[in-house]
Amino acid sequence: ETGVTQSPTHLIKTRGQQVTLRCSSQSGHNTVSWYQQALGQGPQFIFQYYREEENGRGNFPPRFSGLQFPNYSSELNVNALELDDSALYLCASSSRTSGAGETQYFGPGTRLLVL
Amino acid sequence: AQRVTQPEKLLSVFKGAPVELKCNYSYSGSPELFWYVQYSRQRLQLLLRHISRESIKGFTADLNKGETSFHLKKPFAQEEDSAMYYCALSKLTGGGNKLTFGTGTQLKVEL
Repeated sequence: ETGVTQSPTHLIKTRGQQVTLRCSSQSGHNTVSWYQQALGQGPQFIFQYYREEENGRGNFPPRFSGLQFPNYSSELNVNALELDDSALYLCASSSRTSGAGETQYFGPGTRLLVL
Repeated sequence: AQRVTQPEKLLSVFKGAPVELKCNYSYSGSPELFWYVQYSRQRLQLLLRHISRESIKGFTADLNKGETSFHLKKPFAQEEDSAMYYCALSKLTGGGNKLTFGTGTQLKVEL
């Protein structure tokens, strides 16, 4: 069983640039969630993708967008980068059930630094 | 809105001592609660979930709806338990299932 993978591991960008982060879900999982983890904080929910559609969104502006592909992999795109976007971005995959108790499995994260 | 509170940023105990990591939540519904752990230089991983009622690596957590708590406990701390622990609450929203995390507690087990 292959776990969740993310690329790249580290990234440095400047303010105003755009970035794309990638995530491959764990085998057999059809749902991908993205989280932002600032230094010293717990992860914060950005959004979730299920069946290639956004399926729930946290308190993040529209310049945070995403995609899910037919193979359930996903991308997180951030436009017009700001200094406060510097964080660890985590991807989590899960197998969608009817309840709230599905377990999410996390990738290693992509550390983004915005200068 | 749901919220998870972990009041301690750092908890330091001696090896063999009991451990209790506190977690309180606010949520207007039936919560699904989890503890995730992050060991040094490793990814965030599930430690346990309340609906399973399992004991993982000697850790247990009981959901107390009256006190809105889900404290993590272990009777005898081991050096390998040193890690960052996050309590999380899962909510099925109209559009999906999201985890709300606390700010985490760093557990340090000293010899």
